[in-house]
Amino acid sequence: GENVEQHPSTLSVQEGDSAVIKCTYSDSASNYFPWYKQELGKRPQLIIDIRSNVGEKKDQRIAVTLNKTAKHFSLHITETQPEDSAVYFCAASTNAGKSTFGDGTTLTVKP
Amino acid sequence: NAGVTQTPKFQVLKTGQSMTLQCAQDMNHEYMSWYRQDPGMGLRLIHYSVGAGITDQGEVPNGYNVSRSTTEDFPLRLLSAAPSQTSVYFCASSAYRDSNSPLHFGNGTRLTVT
Repeated sequence: GENVEQHPSTLSVQEGDSAVIKCTYSDSASNYFPWYKQELGKRPQLIIDIRSNVGEKKDQRIAVTLNKTAKHFSLHITETQPEDSAVYFCAASTNAGKSTFGDGTTLTVKP
Repeated sequence: NAGVTQTPKFQVLKTGQSMTLQCAQDMNHEYMSWYRQDPGMGLRLIHYSVGAGITDQGEVPNGYNVSRSTTEDFPLRLLSAAPSQTSVYFCASSAYRDSNSPLHFGNGTRLTVT
């Protein structure tokens, strides 16, 4: 089955700095790569996603890049703010609908 | 739309007891799934369904049963609770016909087995 590895497990940055989280996947059939943000005690919620026919996608301060050849994708957050502090999960899914998640990255933005 | 609704929010069970976690969605999503979340281990898939009458096992199915008699409901049954099943359980759905579709999560059920 699919295996998704996510790094780093924890990340601490100063407010205004950039944060980068990286994921690798193993199943070449995976074609959809969403990122979810989970605040403490809350449910995961989608923040951005990318499909396998696209190399990069940006939404304001958040961007995701995908390298299909290397089977890795990354989340980039610029101009970080304290409210960006949360756990971030990457996931990979196939047309079968199943999503496999990374183990998560706890991002702390220090004011 | 209420989205994905899970009940109960909290539950404490004794070892050996059984119970059902309820999940309902009102978005007419064909795909529904159950995940458990343990510290440092992300979200692990327990069971999933691509439509009424169809279910399949995920990564960690042992000790759990599911059924899908309607599009809206996808209950998760714990047959004989064990302390190892202490976790936070999330139900999630997506529009399966659009295969590249994000998951919509419920608010979770925090289960403690003593």
